[in-house]
Amino acid sequence: EIVLTQSPDFQSVTPKEKVTITCRASQSIGTSLHWYQQKADQSPKLLIKYASQSISGVPSRFSGGGSGTDFTLTIDTLEAEDVASYYCHQSDSFPYTFGQGTKLGIK
Amino acid sequence: EVQLVESGGGLVQPGGSLRLSCAASGFTFSSYWMSWVRQAPGKGLEWVANINQPGSEKYYVDSVKGRFTISRDNAKNSLHLEMNSLRAEDTAVYYCARGYGGNPLPYYWGQGTRVSVSS
Repeated sequence: EIVLTQSPDFQSVTPKEKVTITCRASQSIGTSLHWYQQKADQSPKLLIKYASQSISGVPSRFSGGGSGTDFTLTIDTLEAEDVASYYCHQSDSFPYTFGQGTKLGIK
Repeated sequence: EVQLVESGGGLVQPGGSLRLSCAASGFTFSSYWMSWVRQAPGKGLEWVANINQPGSEKYYVDSVKGRFTISRDNAKNSLHLEMNSLRAEDTAVYYCARGYGGNPLPYYWGQGTRVSVSS
C-alpha cells in the first residue's frame, strides 16, 4: 500500500498569504497524485489532477506540482473561503489511498 | 446537472449488515467508473472500493475485502455497496463518487450517507 504523508497537519493562515502544502508518497507514483478540498460539512471537491493539471471551475490561485514521491499544492493569495481541509490522493496502484489531510485555519 | 444521492445508511449492531445505494442522474452512468469513499467522524478520507463501467473490475481496500461488495446496475443508474460483518471501525459517512472521464479518479461526489455500527 502506498502511504501518503502530508505536511503540515494544521496551518494557521491569513488572507492574501501564499500557502504551500506538501504530500510525500512512500514510493514513486509518477504524477498520479490529485488534490481535494473539503469545507466543513461538505463533500470533497477535486482541485488538481495528475499533480499539476487544472480542473474547470477551480480558481487559478490553486496550482500543483511535483512528480515521483514529492508533491505540492500551492494557494496563491489565499482567500477566506479557502479555509478548509486539503487531501492528496494517489491513483497509481490499488488500494488507492489519501493523505491524512491538512487543515487550514484563519489566524 | 450531475446528481449522486446516497441512501441506506443507519445504525446497525456489530456483525450486522447494510446495503448502501447511490442513485445517479444527469450523466450517462454506464460510461463512468464509480467509487465509494468513507470518512470516519472527525477523520480523513478513506477510499473503500471502485468498479469499472461494465462492472467487471472491482477493487477494495484491504480492511473491507471479503465483507463488502460493490456492484452497479447500469439499467437503473444505481451503485450499491453491500456491507456485511460490520465493525465499529466501519462507522463513517459513505460517499458515492463518479470518475473523471474514463478514469476512476473521483470527481463528482454525493452528499454521503451515515453508517453507525454500535451495540
